[in-house]
Amino acid sequence: AQRVTQPEKLLSVFKGAPVELKCNYSYSGSPELFWYVQYSRQRLQLLLRHISRESIKGFTADLNKGETSFHLKKPFAQEEDSAMYYCALRAAGNKLTFGGGTRVLVKP
Amino acid sequence: SAVISQKPSRDICQRGTSLTIQCQVDSQVTMMFWYRQQPGQSLTLIATANQGSEATYESGFVIDKFPISRPNLTFSTLTVSNMSPEDSSIYLCSAPGGRDGYTFGSGTRLTVV
Repeated sequence: AQRVTQPEKLLSVFKGAPVELKCNYSYSGSPELFWYVQYSRQRLQLLLRHISRESIKGFTADLNKGETSFHLKKPFAQEEDSAMYYCALRAAGNKLTFGGGTRVLVKP
Repeated sequence: SAVISQKPSRDICQRGTSLTIQCQVDSQVTMMFWYRQQPGQSLTLIATANQGSEATYESGFVIDKFPISRPNLTFSTLTVSNMSPEDSSIYLCSAPGGRDGYTFGSGTRLTVV
């Protein structure tokens, strides 16, 4: 069975500092990984996915199959980045398995 | 990408009663998913709802407790039956959305007293 682990429940950084959210997964097949974000009082929304290799709102994430990781990074955090972030893996049957989530707090 | 309207947004229910949560999608989708998010925890998939067939439940979830309907390609309901305080959670529906990701409803915050 697949599993997604986000070891940090809370990350607190100052504005302008780099931020990295860790995500590790276990899955026997070829993984498809996503980062979802939930801002205060908003619904969960897609931030980025590994297939597109894009940068969204300054965030990037690289899939490292050797380390089974998909860490999310941003070089300069902004206050508006404060939110809950979830790493997710799509397995067979189009089902998403979510990590436990990391709350990011960007302090001014 | 698809937009999902979910209701109710919150409810406080007496134990032993049932609550039905509705999700309406603004476009046709083959699959819809129902999740539970218990306090302080991540999202856990309850079941996958396909139109025209019975829902597929994940381990630990059963149809008698969480009956699901999927009458057409734009609508689904989840009922939480015979509720107890342990059922207090946020319940979310989801459907495949744009950019090959998934779109989510706004959630139903359920408190059972």
